[in-house]
Amino acid sequence: NAGVTQTPKFQVLKTGQSMTLQCAQDMNHNSMYWYRQDPGMGLRLIYYSASEGTTDKGEVPNGYNVSRLNKREFSLRLESAAPSQTSVYFCASRWGGQGYEQYFGPGTRLTVT
Amino acid sequence: GESVGLHLPTLSVQEGDNSIINCAYSNSASDYFIWYKQESGKGPQFIIDIRSNMDKRQGQRVTVLLNKTVKHLSLQIAATQPGDSAVYFCAEEETSGSRLTFGEGTQLTVNP
Repeated sequence: NAGVTQTPKFQVLKTGQSMTLQCAQDMNHNSMYWYRQDPGMGLRLIYYSASEGTTDKGEVPNGYNVSRLNKREFSLRLESAAPSQTSVYFCASRWGGQGYEQYFGPGTRLTVT
Repeated sequence: GESVGLHLPTLSVQEGDNSIINCAYSNSASDYFIWYKQESGKGPQFIIDIRSNMDKRQGQRVTVLLNKTVKHLSLQIAATQPGDSAVYFCAEEETSGSRLTFGEGTQLTVNP
């Protein structure tokens, strides 16, 4: 099992450029999540998908869109990148809802200049 | 809004000592709590969890204590090792919730 994988590992964008962060899990998990982590801070939820076919906003959704492509894959898109979106992005998944631990990917380090 | 926070942003201990990392939460509806460890440059890794119907749970070298009266959570690490050096996060979730709320994290440094 690879667990949760994320691509790319690193990315530098110019302000206004767009990009999609990819996430996949091979654990047959139902729920998937996107977080951002700024230096010295905790994780803030951007969007989540409780099950295939559903997506919901988290704490900081502005400037992002998501797609739950299938049960395995959950992508995060930045349509017009801004310097404030410079951060480390983590994808996570878990089998069920409340009470199940989340498994995290290795992260994507994004810099917007 | 509801939040989860930590008392100590940094903790430095000697190798072999026991470590205690604290966490306060404010959402009285939270009934599931979890601790994660994050090493530099990596994603968070699950350590241990506890439900609100328990006040203590033990794992390998780790113990989580939950005090619902004062909304306090702690993680105890026995015989701390250099490999335990990392940032530790607590997180909480409501019964009806579908997502975790994370605290800010505590940096644990273990000195040899």
